[in-house]
Amino acid sequence: AQSVSQHNHHVILSEAASLELGCNYSYGGTVNLFWYVQYPGQHLQLLLKYFSGDPLVKGIKGFEAEFIKSKFSFNLRKPSVQWSDTAEYFCAVFNTNAGKSTFGDGTTLTVKP
Amino acid sequence: EAGVTQSPTHLIKTRGQQATLRCSPISGHTSVYWYQQALGLGLQFLLWYDEGEERNRGNFPPRFSGRQFPNYSSELNVNALELEDSALYLCASSSGTGQGASGELFFGEGSRLTVL
Repeated sequence: AQSVSQHNHHVILSEAASLELGCNYSYGGTVNLFWYVQYPGQHLQLLLKYFSGDPLVKGIKGFEAEFIKSKFSFNLRKPSVQWSDTAEYFCAVFNTNAGKSTFGDGTTLTVKP
Repeated sequence: EAGVTQSPTHLIKTRGQQATLRCSPISGHTSVYWYQQALGLGLQFLLWYDEGEERNRGNFPPRFSGRQFPNYSSELNVNALELEDSALYLCASSSGTGQGASGELFFGEGSRLTVL
């Protein structure tokens, strides 16, 4: 069965600190990878995505993620976080054969001003 | 362009009753996905509809069912409600079908179901 693991449930950082959120998945077939973000009071929205090609992908608001196939990982990074990055972040893996997206449990990021 | 819309926003039911939740996808999207987001449990995949057909379902009992209409809107029905069905139910739509599906999801605001 396909699964997604996010290593941190809650991360607290000060503004300007660097961020890395871990995401590992278990599935040996072809996948598309996503990070979604849910800001307080808003709906889930796409942050960035990887389908193929350059394993380093850039998303909105200065976020980037690197796909490392050998490690089944798709970690999210940002060099310098802002207070407005406070949100819940979800990693998701789409199984192209089954047409099913599996989400991690989410990581709540709190950025202190 | 209108996003994914869900109704009702909130719904309160008692054990044993039935709940019906509705979703309208983004115009042009043919796939609709339903997820359950219970407290502390992340997003759990419920159902996937595409071109009017149920394509996949998650590990939920048969009392969770739904359908997709010719205009691609969708309905989620939960029969014989149990207390643990209390959750936020999210609908998402996606363009592309079958092998053309990318998995990029556009979410609605959700319907919060409370079972008393």
